[in-house]
Amino acid sequence: QQQVKQSPQSLIVQKGGIPIINCAYENTAFDYFPWYQQFPGKGPALLIAIRPDVSEKKEGRFTISFNKSAKQFSLHIMDSQPGDSATYFCAASKNNQGGKLIFGQGTELSVKP
Amino acid sequence: DTEVTQTPKHLVMGMTNKKSLKCEQHMGHRAMYWYKQKAKKPPELMFVYSYEKLSINESVPSRFSPECPNSSLLNLHLHALQPEDSALYLCASSQGQGFSEAFFGQGTRLTVV
Repeated sequence: QQQVKQSPQSLIVQKGGIPIINCAYENTAFDYFPWYQQFPGKGPALLIAIRPDVSEKKEGRFTISFNKSAKQFSLHIMDSQPGDSATYFCAASKNNQGGKLIFGQGTELSVKP
Repeated sequence: DTEVTQTPKHLVMGMTNKKSLKCEQHMGHRAMYWYKQKAKKPPELMFVYSYEKLSINESVPSRFSPECPNSSLLNLHLHALQPEDSALYLCASSQGQGFSEAFFGQGTRLTVV
């Protein structure tokens, strides 16, 4: 059973565009929602994370929007650059689960020059 | 410093071999994890160590044997693996159980022949 659903599977945007990646979760006990960026052959790198008591969080060009009632959250990348081309994973976890992360299926982003 | 170091970066082993993967962090984190990632898939949790004790085993076959010698080190001992075990093995750490901000290493690319 897939507990975190991520879309789209792949995304192509032009440089300067604003790609948006969406995730939906089922388990209302989740209380921590991170996004990871992964380049080929590398480990996932923590980008930004949010907790359910906040509706939006910005760090640099990355913004998470969170809709608790809809059980959805999304990542926006402002002024995207070719160097942002990577696979992005959303994830969710429960505070009492010892950091066990449930990942979405990933979105392969390509930013064209 | 949010560095988790994994060695080796690449490993090729036969199905009768015994090998070990190593992971080290010096962030003072008390929870450490092993994840397995197949190509174009999200990471999947294998084991969680909290304060050097195994707290989660996600029904991983016994041919994978984790070990946490101290709070900074995590090993994964491999024996009698199958070709389908070929994957990227990722180590991660977080501040403690229930503290979900997890940092990943670069991974060990394992090929079983």
